[in-house]
Amino acid sequence: EIVLTQSPATRSLSPGDTATLSCRANQSVSSTTLAWYQQKPGQAPRLLIYGATSRATGIPDRFTGRGSGTDFTLTITRLQPEDFAVYYCQHYGRSLMYTFGQGTKLEIK
Amino acid sequence: QVQLIQSGPEVMKPGASVKVSCKASGYVFGTYGINWVRQAPGQGLEWLGWISAFNDKTKYAQIVQDRVTLTTDRSTNTAYMELRSLRSDDTAVYFCSRRVPENYYTLDVWGLGTTVTVSS
Repeated sequence: EIVLTQSPATRSLSPGDTATLSCRANQSVSSTTLAWYQQKPGQAPRLLIYGATSRATGIPDRFTGRGSGTDFTLTITRLQPEDFAVYYCQHYGRSLMYTFGQGTKLEIK
Repeated sequence: QVQLIQSGPEVMKPGASVKVSCKASGYVFGTYGINWVRQAPGQGLEWLGWISAFNDKTKYAQIVQDRVTLTTDRSTNTAYMELRSLRSDDTAVYFCSRRVPENYYTLDVWGLGTTVTVSS
């Protein structure tokens, strides 16, 4: 069973800063199986990144996904006020099951 | 545009069953699967299962596989999630989402969520 651990749990930054969020899998996974979502309070999640590095439709290039094996990151440059939210990584693999990380809350400092 | 419209909030007694609907529009329903994810108050996302809208193949999370049934009605482009033997810890917002093979089966469109409250 794939377990995803995100860190940090909370990150406090200012608008204009760069955020780097981490997602670690307990075993190596294919990059094609890793995605990132953004969720704002009271809203549904929004797909940001799929296949570890590909931006979903309409996602600005301030959002960059990287990584391979067990370690993946989501980097958000030039933080905008609307970027402060909770971010989840997600895996879907050969088991045909989905797993979410526990989330990282990005808050305004 | 592509939309998933979910049914309204439910308040249920422990031990009862709830059935949440998710009506799709803006695309060919049978082309994609539908996932169900829930979020308890103040908690993270928890995957429950998915169903193919093409052939009704399903996959369930172990935590609910004995209590959940996913179905579709292709005549109305609607997916359903039924959860039985409700407990207080089933209180959550339940989301449906579209599962897209060309994006490595990620979930590209989501419903707004259905709040299910289990309380005696």
